[in-house]
Amino acid sequence: GQQLNQSPQSMFIQEGEDVSMNCTSSSIFNTWLWYKQDPGEGPVLLIALYKAGELTSNGRLTAQFGITRKDSFLNISASIPSDVGIYFCAGPLISSGSARQLTFGSGTQLTVLP
Amino acid sequence: DAGVTQSPTHLIKTRGQQVTLRCSPKSGHDTVSWYQQALGQGPQFIFQYYEEEERQRGNFPDRFSGHQFPNYSSELNVNALLLGDSALYLCASSLGDIISYGYTFGSGTRLTVV
Repeated sequence: GQQLNQSPQSMFIQEGEDVSMNCTSSSIFNTWLWYKQDPGEGPVLLIALYKAGELTSNGRLTAQFGITRKDSFLNISASIPSDVGIYFCAGPLISSGSARQLTFGSGTQLTVLP
Repeated sequence: DAGVTQSPTHLIKTRGQQVTLRCSPKSGHDTVSWYQQALGQGPQFIFQYYEEEERQRGNFPDRFSGHQFPNYSSELNVNALLLGDSALYLCASSLGDIISYGYTFGSGTRLTVV
């Protein structure tokens, strides 16, 4: 089935540094979603991308929809302690012509050191 | 405006028992999807309920069943619990059964099977 490969699995960075993570698939996606999950909470949508080549920002977060439609990137600038968490990429799985479920990557665990 | 509400937050069950988890969708949403998230993994789609019917099902055995009520709330039932069913169970709500803008997730129910 469709799989999303996220890298890196984990990152340790200093406060104030920029962060970059990516997600790749062997299948084409028409939508890319980036979520963040804090401990004990459900994932929260950060950015949604709908068009190949699209670059979208949400505050210090910027995400890009890859031209091949098989990858996406998330960048966080000037990291702060509250950026700590697990970041997931996700995309709708097209089944029987409809998109009713999301496929998630395995996540990138981000730790921000003071 | 209440988001997605799940109950209980934590649950411990014995192998072979049955469990029921509950979810109230975000106000204005009519579709509920359930996901299982094992430790260190991304969420895995179980099934989606829309208009009180199961619309899509992931790769889960029929020990996993669900229901949606006229007020759009939903239950997830798991029979004959196995140790491997231990996970965070996430409920996500959306408007309509086709994913366009992603979901709103609840905080989840942490199920431990001993």
